[in-house]
Amino acid sequence: ETGVTQTPRHLVMGMTNKKSLKCEQHLGHNAMYWYKQSAKKPLELMFVYSLEERVENNSVPSRFSPECPNSSHLFLHLHTLQPEDSALYLCASSQGTPASGYTFGSGTRLTVV
Amino acid sequence: AQSVAQPEDQVNVAEGNPLTVKCTYSVSGNPYLFWYVQYPNRGLQFLLKYITGDNLVKGSYGFEAEFNKSQTSFHLKKPSALVSDSALYFCAVRDIGFQKLVFGTGTRLLVSP
Repeated sequence: ETGVTQTPRHLVMGMTNKKSLKCEQHLGHNAMYWYKQSAKKPLELMFVYSLEERVENNSVPSRFSPECPNSSHLFLHLHTLQPEDSALYLCASSQGTPASGYTFGSGTRLTVV
Repeated sequence: AQSVAQPEDQVNVAEGNPLTVKCTYSVSGNPYLFWYVQYPNRGLQFLLKYITGDNLVKGSYGFEAEFNKSQTSFHLKKPSALVSDSALYFCAVRDIGFQKLVFGTGTRLLVSP
């Protein structure tokens, strides 16, 4: 247990489904992140939230919709996904200072069928 | 922009031998450098970081990293490799503005018995 909890751990969804990924941290961190990790590709930063405000959106398709209702929770809402969206989705949190690294969750393995 | 490069996709080493996983960086200003490890289907785990001070940084699981300013490198090392060290290793640097970490492409370490 790292202090960042992601649910569910595994998710299989059809292309017409709507689902949500959840991330929760109780480390007192003020920044949260979504990353996508596909096989044989570099880590892709999707979204950055700082103090509950979205500060970065790396050209992510609109079928991915993030939500940060408070500093402890981060969601990624999914709808009409494509098979190429199948990947490990990682959430991380950070204190947002120069010396602070990230604490990652264990990830959600998403399969789109 | 800040960046790191991991020139090796994979490093193979026999158990008991020393290991090195390479990382070079390009930054404006002082570098804040990190190493993370990822086991299969898990999130990334923090190993160690360089902020300032001693060039040799000690971290978790017997790993250490040497910061070399003249060569702009931050190589990860361990004196004696274990089979259980087999994993994916990521080097990272704090981005300007400190909002996020910029990750390398990762190096797979394979330790053979």
